[in-house]
Amino acid sequence: AQSVSQHNHHVILSEAASLELGCNYSYGGTVNLFWYVQYPGQHLQLLLKYFSGDPLVKGIKGFEAEFIKSKFSFNLRKPSVQWSDTAEYFCAVTPDTGRRALTFGSGTRLQVQP
Amino acid sequence: NAGVTQTPKFRVLKTGQSMTLLCAQDMNHEYMYWYRQDPGMGLRLIHYSVGEGTTAKGEVPDGYNVSRLKKQNFLLGLESAAPSQTSVYFCASKLAGAIREQYFGPGTRLTVT
Repeated sequence: AQSVSQHNHHVILSEAASLELGCNYSYGGTVNLFWYVQYPGQHLQLLLKYFSGDPLVKGIKGFEAEFIKSKFSFNLRKPSVQWSDTAEYFCAVTPDTGRRALTFGSGTRLQVQP
Repeated sequence: NAGVTQTPKFRVLKTGQSMTLLCAQDMNHEYMYWYRQDPGMGLRLIHYSVGEGTTAKGEVPDGYNVSRLKKQNFLLGLESAAPSQTSVYFCASKLAGAIREQYFGPGTRLTVT
C-alpha cells in the first residue's frame, strides 16, 4: 500500500517569504500526484496535479510543484506567500490503476503573518 | 451545476444512534468516495464505489456501511454511532479513467457524544 509523508506539520511565515512544503511518497508503481488546499472552514480545493510529462507543474494562485521520481518527492513551492495563503495543505497520491482513491499526507498547516 | 453536495452539514449524535449522510453529484461521475478527516491524520478512505450498485471497503470501513443505488448518490450510514466516529466526513467524486481529479464536497461535521 502507498503512503505519503509531509514532514512539516506547522509552518509560520511572514508575507513575501518563500514557501516550500515537503511531500514524499512510497509506492512501487506509477502514481498520480496532487496538492490540495483547505482554507479555514472550507472544503478541499485542488491546487495542482501531476499525471505525466513535465515534472514541474504550475497550479493556481502562483503555486508550483516539482516531481522528482528518484526521490519519490513532490514538493510544493511558492516564491512569495500572502496572508490569504493561510490554510492547510495536503499532498495526495493515487496509483495509476485500480480504484484510484487518494492517499493523503497528514497535512501542513501554513500560517502567514502580515 | 452544483458539483458535489453533502447533507447534513452538521450533526450531533448520541452513542448508539444511527444516521445516514448523503452525497450527491451532478457531474455524471462514475467513481465516488467517502473520506473522514481527523486532526493530524489527513483524510482516510472509508468506502468507495466505482459505479452504480457497486461498493467496496477502503482503509477504515469498520462501523460504516454505504450504498450506491443511483449513480448520482452515495450514502454513508452509521448503524450505531461511537465517539470514535466524531470527525469531518468528505465525499468526493471523479470520472473514470486515469487522468482525472477528484472533486470534493463541503463536508459534514459529525460529533458523537
